[in-house]
Amino acid sequence: AQSVTQPDIHITVSEGASLELRCNYSYGATPYLFWYVQSPGQGLQLLLKYFSGDTLVQGIKGFEAEFKRSQSSFNLRKPSVHWSDAAEYFCAVGAVYGGSQGNLIFGKGTKLSVKP
Amino acid sequence: EPEVTQTPSHQVTQMGQEVILRCVPISNHLYFYWYRQILGQKVEFLVSFYNNEISEKSEIFDDQFSVERPDGSNFTLKIRSTKLEDSAMYFCASSFNIGRQETQYFGPGTRLLVL
Repeated sequence: AQSVTQPDIHITVSEGASLELRCNYSYGATPYLFWYVQSPGQGLQLLLKYFSGDTLVQGIKGFEAEFKRSQSSFNLRKPSVHWSDAAEYFCAVGAVYGGSQGNLIFGKGTKLSVKP
Repeated sequence: EPEVTQTPSHQVTQMGQEVILRCVPISNHLYFYWYRQILGQKVEFLVSFYNNEISEKSEIFDDQFSVERPDGSNFTLKIRSTKLEDSAMYFCASSFNIGRQETQYFGPGTRLLVL
């Protein structure tokens, strides 16, 4: 079965520190992977996505993610966190569901808090 | 930048009542989705919709749920007789095309509380 695991429910980092949010997926074929961010009161905003090619993907707001097939991982990173990055982060895989494609399978999310 | 909007932002209802959650997808998008997130759990796919019919639905989307595009802009999710376990955040999303590689754009969600 297709699934996405985000092992960290809540992470706190200091402003200016580096960040890595973990995501592992279970998927038989080539995955289509996404990271979304949700700030309070906002919708899910796409940070970046991986379909093929270069395994290091650049996104908005200075985020990047690296696809590692051997580890079934798609971890999100940022070299220097800003207070405005405090939000909830969701990893997702584009699923094959039934006879058609298109729905997303999400992880549970990781809530990021940023200390001043 | 165009965005998906949802109304209301919060809804409180009594068990057994009908609720309608509304969404306005991005105007040139053709595919529409509903997801939900029960507190503390994963965001779960409910249904996708294209060309005025359901494309795909999950096992969560039972006969109590229905979707409709009543006009050229709105996309609605109706829950006929709400249950306590329907309490969740409901997200609407839209995409220009369908497929695993397509980016879905999400609205801010409607938080539904069933008492």
